[in-house]
Amino acid sequence: DAGVIQSPRHEVTEMGQEVTLRCKPISGHDYLFWYRQTMMRGLELLIYFNNNVPIDDSGMPEDRFSAKMPNASFSTLKIQPSEPRDSAVYFCASKAGTGVQETQYFGPGTRLLVL
Amino acid sequence: AQSVTQLGSHVSVSEGALVLLRCNYSSSVPPYLFWYVQYPNQGLQLLLKYTTGATLVKGINGFEAEFKKSETSFHLTKPSAHMSDAAEYFCAVILYNQGGKLIFGQGTELSVKP
Repeated sequence: DAGVIQSPRHEVTEMGQEVTLRCKPISGHDYLFWYRQTMMRGLELLIYFNNNVPIDDSGMPEDRFSAKMPNASFSTLKIQPSEPRDSAVYFCASKAGTGVQETQYFGPGTRLLVL
Repeated sequence: AQSVTQLGSHVSVSEGALVLLRCNYSSSVPPYLFWYVQYPNQGLQLLLKYTTGATLVKGINGFEAEFKKSETSFHLTKPSAHMSDAAEYFCAVILYNQGGKLIFGQGTELSVKP
């Protein structure tokens, strides 16, 4: 299996622009998670989906952030408009099964820089 | 409330020396516990996890961790450090009252000196 795939790997944009991050989970996994990693706040869960349905978006920082999962093999995280404080590494992870102890598998991340 | 605390943001050891990375959690109910490793410019990779059963858990790359309920700890150890172990290590927990969300510690960067 190719693992969790994220694109782009790097993104540089200017403040105010729309940014879209993409994730393809491992085939057969029914949970998908979006995390953000910064020096100041560490790793934070933004939102997660189960069977394409958003379950908990309490970690989404504000209305500028939105996430969708139109099908089992694709999810997007959108920031509109982007701000310099959104600069971070964004990880997507997926897991299979309903047990909370099931392992989450992480993608390589998208490194976002907002100028 | 902090659910997981990693003591020491940076640990440096010599090659061949013992590696000890500390993790404590705060929960009245034993959580599920995980250690992840992150190599530079890569995603996180699971090293090991404790769910139920034996409290000494063995993982990949020679690492192991012991769940100690009385100390609310889940420290990560490796008897002999290798240069390739240099990375950032994250302890994480899943708490029953957090909807199954994985909550990470702040991470510990491990350096290995030749």
